[in-house]
Order: sequence, then C-alpha cells, then structure tokens
Amino acid sequence: AQKVTQAQTEISVVEKEDVTLDCVYETRDTTYYLFWYKQPPSGELVFLIRRNSFDEQNEISGRYSWNFQKSTSSFNFTITASQVVDSAVYFCALRPLSWGKFQFGAGTQVVVTP
Amino acid sequence: DGGITQSPKYLFRKEGQNVTLSCEQNLNHDAMYWYRQDPGQGLRLIYYSQIVNDFQKGDIAEGYSVSREKKESFPLTVTSAQKNPTAFYLCASSIGAGSGYEQYFGPGTRLTVT
Repeated sequence: AQKVTQAQTEISVVEKEDVTLDCVYETRDTTYYLFWYKQPPSGELVFLIRRNSFDEQNEISGRYSWNFQKSTSSFNFTITASQVVDSAVYFCALRPLSWGKFQFGAGTQVVVTP
Repeated sequence: DGGITQSPKYLFRKEGQNVTLSCEQNLNHDAMYWYRQDPGQGLRLIYYSQIVNDFQKGDIAEGYSVSREKKESFPLTVTSAQKNPTAFYLCASSIGAGSGYEQYFGPGTRLTVT
C-alpha cells in the first residue's frame, strides 16, 4: 500500500522564523517519486519540487530546502526566514513507478504572522 | 500563456441535478486528472486520462463521469448519484502519465449543492 503522512496539521510562526514540514511515506516500490506542492488561499496547487528515489541529495532553492532520507522514509521541507506570503497549505505526494497515481498527504497549514 | 483553466470558480446547484465542470489545458499535455478536495483532507483522485478517448477510474469515481474527446479538454460531470458532491474540485495535467512527471493544476471549482 502507498501512504503519505503529514503529521502536522497546522504550524504557526512569526515572520523570519524557520519552519520545517514533515513528510513520511510508505511504499514497497524501489523506484518512486516524491513531490511537494503549495496551495495558497487562492486554491491552485503550485508545484515546488520532484525527487526520485535514487537521488538522496538535499536541495536548496532560495529560502526553500528539502531533506530526503530514504533510511527513514522521510522527505522534509524547510522554509528559512519565513514570510507572510509563505502562508499556505503544503502537500507532500508520492508516486510509485508501479502505481502511476499520486498519493497525497493530508497537508500542513502554515500560518506566518507579521 | 500556457496553463489550465477551470470554469466557473464557484458553482451552485440544487440536489438532484447533474452538473458539468469544465477543464481546459493548452500545455499540450497527454494526461489529465480530476481530484476532489474536502476541508482538512488531501486530494483524492476521481478519474484520470492518459490519452484522448481513454480514461480510468480513480479512488472515488462513484457518482462521477468524464469524457476525453479532445486532448485539451477533460470535463467532469457530477451526477445526482454522488451522495455528497459539495467540495472543491481540481483539474490537473501532466506531460505524460509516467510517474516522474509532475502535475500542473488549475485554479479549481468550488461546487456547492443544496
């Protein structure tokens, strides 16, 4: 079975604080892809990153960084020096090679206050 | 500008009526998807289509129907058989149906049935 767990329902921070969103996944496939999406209040999901199961390098893109640890089946996402515009729901998703469909986590609501 | 359009943004219907949600993309993507999102939950797959004139049921297809007569269009009909149709509906597309391709999402349609 495929499963994605985002245990944090909501995280509230003050602007400029760092925030880390946890994502733990389950799959029996050895080849799979992991994704992060951002859903601002407007509703449209915005693609942030894709990572395949053979690439465990961490990635940094501006204030965003991702930590992929296959040993713990985790793909965590950190926003450094948060801004009000980062307020959104963030989804982690898994797509195993054999399955073809996305399995989304329940999402984590991030609230950044000035 | 390339993208996915969904119309209308808000839709209201009386119980017992069928309603069709529009989804159009000009990204030349082969695969298209329909998701349902309920408050506090992740996305659940309703139907997906890998190529024109072909589509498959997702995890919650009961009470819904789709068609894919053109590459750029993938309308979703919410029938009166859908027991709880009030939700936020998101359409997505990807270059192909392979697991490594990220999905791009439209702005969504919020359907309210009373």
